[in-house]
Amino acid sequence: NAGVTQTPKFQVLKTGQSMTLQCAQDMNHNSMYWYRQDPGMGLRLIYYSASEGTTDKGEVPNGYNVSRLNKREFSLRLESAAPSQTSVYFCASSEGRGRMVEQYFGPGTRLTVT
Amino acid sequence: GNSVTQMEGPVTLSEEAFLTINCTYTATGYPSLFWYVQYPGEGLQLLLKATKADDKGSNKGFEATYRKETTSFHLEKGSVQVSDSAVYFCALSAHTDKLIFGTGTRLQVFP
Repeated sequence: NAGVTQTPKFQVLKTGQSMTLQCAQDMNHNSMYWYRQDPGMGLRLIYYSASEGTTDKGEVPNGYNVSRLNKREFSLRLESAAPSQTSVYFCASSEGRGRMVEQYFGPGTRLTVT
Repeated sequence: GNSVTQMEGPVTLSEEAFLTINCTYTATGYPSLFWYVQYPGEGLQLLLKATKADDKGSNKGFEATYRKETTSFHLEKGSVQVSDSAVYFCALSAHTDKLIFGTGTRLQVFP
């Protein structure tokens, strides 16, 4: 049981390049999330998906797109990377809706945009 | 809006010292409260949670009590170990499953 996996672990991009961060979970969870972690700001929600085929914006969605490919996979795409997107990105999943559910996090992707 | 405020770090302690990390929140209704821990180079993992007023969450010697009257959820441990060195995040979820995080508090424990 791998839990939540993310690829790649590290990435360096030049301004204007594009890339897709991959996330997969093997816990049969319905909900999946993308966060970014910046120093002094905690984690902020970029996008989330309550179920296969649905996605919604979080707190900081500008510059990102997402795809919920199936129940297992939730990808995050940067179409034209900017230095302000230098961050650590975490994917998470949970088994359902509601305020009591635990979220399970992947190990993160450290992205640097030069 | 909903928010979480944590004490600034780093918190530096000697092994076996008592730990308190303060967390206060602002939220409408009756949120659930969480403490997540992030060990170096890893993702976050749930440490403990409480879903209603006066609930006490506990795990691995850590405790936190949901205090609605003071809107607080302070994390405590009676005797810290070097292996507890990590970043600790307080978080809440109000009406949905979306989490709102505090800024995190780094704990450094020295032998």
